Amino acid sequence: AQTVTQSQPEMSVQEAETVTLSCTYDTSENNYYLFWYKQPPSRQMILVIRQEAYKQQNATENRFSVNFQKAAKSFSLKISDSQLGDTAMYFCAFMKLLYGNKLVFGAGTILRVKS
Amino acid sequence: DTGVSQNPRHKITKRGQNVTFRCDPISEHNRLYWYRQTLGQGPEFLTYFQNEAQLEKSRLLSDRFSAERPKGSFSTLEIQRTEQGDSAMYLCASSIGTPYYEQYFGPGTRLTVT
Repeated sequence: AQTVTQSQPEMSVQEAETVTLSCTYDTSENNYYLFWYKQPPSRQMILVIRQEAYKQQNATENRFSVNFQKAAKSFSLKISDSQLGDTAMYFCAFMKLLYGNKLVFGAGTILRVKS
Repeated sequence: DTGVSQNPRHKITKRGQNVTFRCDPISEHNRLYWYRQTLGQGPEFLTYFQNEAQLEKSRLLSDRFSAERPKGSFSTLEIQRTEQGDSAMYLCASSIGTPYYEQYFGPGTRLTVT
C-alpha cells in the first residue's frame, strides 16, 4: 500500500517570502501522479499543482512549483511571493494510474502567512 | 459548470439514526469518489464509482455504509445505525479520468453524531 508523509504539521511565512512544504511517499509503482491540494479554513479543497511521475521536468503553476525527486520519493511544494490568501491546510496526495485512481493523502501541513 | 455540490452541508444526528448524503458531480465527469476526513487529518478514500458501477470500496466502509450512483449521475452515501465514531467530514469528488486524473472536490457534509 502507498503511504504519504508530511513531516511538517505547521509552517509560517511572512507575506512576500518563499516557503517550501515537504512531502515523501512510499510506493513500488512506476506510473503515478502526485498532487498538492489546498484546503482554506472552512472552505473546499482545491487543486494547486499536479506532477506526472514519468515527467522529469518539475511542474509549475504561477507562484507554485514543485521539486520532484523520483528516486528519493520526495515531492516538495514551493510557494513564492506568499500571500495572505495562501493561508490554508496543504495536502500532498498520491495516485497510482490503475484501479480507479483513488487519492492517498498525507496528514497535511497548516501554512500561516503573516502580514 | 457549477462544480461539485453536496447536500446537506451539515447534519447533526443522534446515535443509532440513519443518515443520507447526496453528491452532484460536475456534469461531464464519469468518475465519482467519496472520502472521509476527520479533524486535522487528510481525507481517506471510502469508495469509487465509474458511471453507475461501484468499482472499489475501502475496508473503512463497514456494512453500515452503502453508496449508490443511479444512472451514473448523482450519488448518495447512507450510514445506518450511526455511531459517534462516524462523526467526520464526508467529501465527494469527481473526475473525468484521462488524461489528467484531477479530482474536483465538493464542500463536504459535516456529520456530527451525538
